[in-house]
Amino acid sequence: DVQLVESGGGLVQPGGSLRLSCATSGFRFNTYWMHWVRQAPGKGLMWVSRINSDGSGTKYADSVTGRFTISRDNAKNILYLQMDSLRADDTGLYYCTREWEASAQDKWGQGTLVTVSS
Amino acid sequence: QSALTQPASVSGSPGQSITISCTGTNSDVGSYHLVSWYQQHPGKAPKLIIYEDTKRPSGVSSRFSASKSGNAASLTISGLQAEDEADYHCCSYSVINTLVFGGGTKLTVL
Repeated sequence: DVQLVESGGGLVQPGGSLRLSCATSGFRFNTYWMHWVRQAPGKGLMWVSRINSDGSGTKYADSVTGRFTISRDNAKNILYLQMDSLRADDTGLYYCTREWEASAQDKWGQGTLVTVSS
Repeated sequence: QSALTQPASVSGSPGQSITISCTGTNSDVGSYHLVSWYQQHPGKAPKLIIYEDTKRPSGVSSRFSASKSGNAASLTISGLQAEDEADYHCCSYSVINTLVFGGGTKLTVL
C-alpha cells in the first residue's frame, strides 16, 4: 500500500523555523514528482511547492518563495520542507502529496499541523 | 497566483443532481486539460475524484462527472447520497508551472 506520513509540525513563534518530513513507502519514490499543499483552519487548499523526481527542479508559491525550501532524499524515500521566517498566515495543516497523471495529486498524507503564534 | 473561484456552498436532496462550478483564467483552467477535483470529508485528507478535466480514477463512482468550457470547469454529482456530503476542491495547472486551487465548496445533502 502507498503511504505518505508527515511529521515535524508544531507550535513556533513568528520568525522561527521548522522542517517538515514526509516518509513514503509502497511505491517507487524516485520516479514521482512530489508536492506540499497546506490548508489553513477552516479554509481551502493552497499549493505550496513541488519538486521533480530527481530533485533538480523546484517551484514555489509566491507567498513562500525565498522562505521555504523543498528537497528530497531518494535513498531514504523522504520528502522535506524547510520553512524559515515563518509568519502567522503560514499556519495550517501541511499535506505531502504525490503527483500522478496530468498533474493530479493521487495520494495524500494525513497532514502535519503547523501553528505560528507568539 | 489567484485562487480559482468556486461557490462557497451548494446543497441538494438525496437522488438529485448538483453541479459545482470552478472559474479560472486563460493562464490556468483555460490553458491546459489539467483540471482535477478532490473530495474532502471532515477531518480527512482530500481524495482525487477527477483528473485531466473529465477522467475518473479507478474506483471512483460513475455518479461523479466533470466538464470544462473555456476558463470554466464544473463537477456534477448525480443521484446524490448522504455520503457525498463533503468539501469539494478544484485545482488547475498554470502557465507558470504551479498549481492553483479553488476556495472549496461545501456540499450539504438535505
